Amino acid sequence: EAGVAQSPRYKIIEKRQSVAFWCNPISGHATLYWYQQILGQGPKLLIQFQNNGVVDDSQLPKDRFSAERLKGVDSTLKIQPAKLEDSAVYLCASSLERGTGELFFGEGSRLTVL
Amino acid sequence: AQSVTQPDIHITVSEGASLELRCNYSYGATPYLFWYVQSPGQGLQLLLKYFSGDTLVQGIKGFEAEFKRSQSSFNLRKPSVHWSDAAEYFCAVAPRDFQKLVFGTGTRLLVSP
Repeated sequence: EAGVAQSPRYKIIEKRQSVAFWCNPISGHATLYWYQQILGQGPKLLIQFQNNGVVDDSQLPKDRFSAERLKGVDSTLKIQPAKLEDSAVYLCASSLERGTGELFFGEGSRLTVL
Repeated sequence: AQSVTQPDIHITVSEGASLELRCNYSYGATPYLFWYVQSPGQGLQLLLKYFSGDTLVQGIKGFEAEFKRSQSSFNLRKPSVHWSDAAEYFCAVAPRDFQKLVFGTGTRLLVSP
C-alpha cells in the first residue's frame, strides 16, 4: 500500500515570495491534515479536512496561508507571501476516519525562507 | 488550557539499556493518548495508543507505555534499546471527541555504543 506522498521535499524561497506544497493521501482515507513543524517543536495542526470539507482551520494564518482539497483526494497548501518565521517542515497526514488516532504521515516538505 | 509536556529534550542511552521517556498532560478529562516516532528525514509513525481499558499498552518495535491517571502521565518504555531506536519521540493527546491531535515538543533519543 502506497504511503502519503508529498512534494516538493525541499524548497528555498525569499521572504514575500509564494510557495505551494502538494499532498496525496493514502487511497480511501477520508481525513487529511496539514501540520507545521518548526525546528525544536512538535507538529502543530494547521488545517484538517474531512473529505473535501474543512473541519478545523483555527490555527491556520489565513492572511497568508490557504489550503484546498479538491474532490476529497489531493490537497495543496499555499503560503503567500512567505515570512521568515514560516521556515518549517510541513507535514501532511491522513487517516481512514476521524477518531482512530492513527494518522499516517508523509515525509514532509522542508521550507526555508531567506 | 490543554497541554502536553515532554520534560526531556534529549536523552542518551547505551545500547542494550532500558529506556523511559516521560509524558505528562493537562486536560479536563482523560484524553486519548499516543506515542509517535520520527526517524531522521522520515514522517511520524504511530508506536502505540491508549483509549481505555488496560493501562499498560503494547506497541510496535518492542515499546510499551503505561497510563497513570493519578499522575496524568503516559510514559514510554523499552527494556532494551537498539541503535536503530535513535529518533525523536512525540507524545500526543486528543480529546474524546477527537477534534484535534496535539503533540508535545518531543524527546530526541541518542543511543551510544
